Amino acid sequence: DIQMTQSPSSLSASVGDRVTITCRASQSIRSYLNWYQQKPGKAPNLLIYAASSLQSGVPSRFSGSGSGTDFTLTISSLQPEDLATYYCQQSFSTPYTFGQGTKLDIK
Amino acid sequence: QVQLVESGGGVVQPGRSLRLSCAASGFTFSSHGMHWVRQAPGKGLEWVAIIWFDGSYKDYADSVKGRFTISRDNSKNTLYLQMNSLRAEDTAVYYCARESLGGYDCVDYWGQGTLVTVSS
Repeated sequence: DIQMTQSPSSLSASVGDRVTITCRASQSIRSYLNWYQQKPGKAPNLLIYAASSLQSGVPSRFSGSGSGTDFTLTISSLQPEDLATYYCQQSFSTPYTFGQGTKLDIK
Repeated sequence: QVQLVESGGGVVQPGRSLRLSCAASGFTFSSHGMHWVRQAPGKGLEWVAIIWFDGSYKDYADSVKGRFTISRDNSKNTLYLQMNSLRAEDTAVYYCARESLGGYDCVDYWGQGTLVTVSS
């Protein structure tokens, strides 16, 4: 099975900050990498698919990059509503494993 | 609009069975692969199972393989998860999720989840 490792596990940032979350796969997954946002008490929401494609309706301050084994989710200017936990997921081969999550707090 | 509504959760004793359902509407159910994803209390997301649009392919997480069965009825627009030999570690919110048609197998819509508690 492919293991997904996110870092950091948690972070705290201020409104307007640039925030970066990384995700590493245990083997190459080409561009089969998705990012989800989960707000407290809610179902997850797709932000980025295919490593860098922005899902319809998602604010343009969210972006993704990477291929192979190393990937990044960037929030260009943090907003209060971005308080959430962020997960990467590989969809290269089943089981479609998730990273352990990155909890983002607003200072 | 796309809607996924799970049902069938509840409290069940270890070793017993439970069947979850997910009623889909607002899209052509028979065209999409479907997934189950779960989340134990206070924990992260765990992918559980996938079924192709026509039911011809299914796969499972190692943690549930041999105990859980995913199925679908395209005439009823409904997804199922049969859970047998339940264990305490199966306690979680179970989400039904739709796979996008974009070719990268991401999940683009999620249900609200149904809570399964395995406890004596």
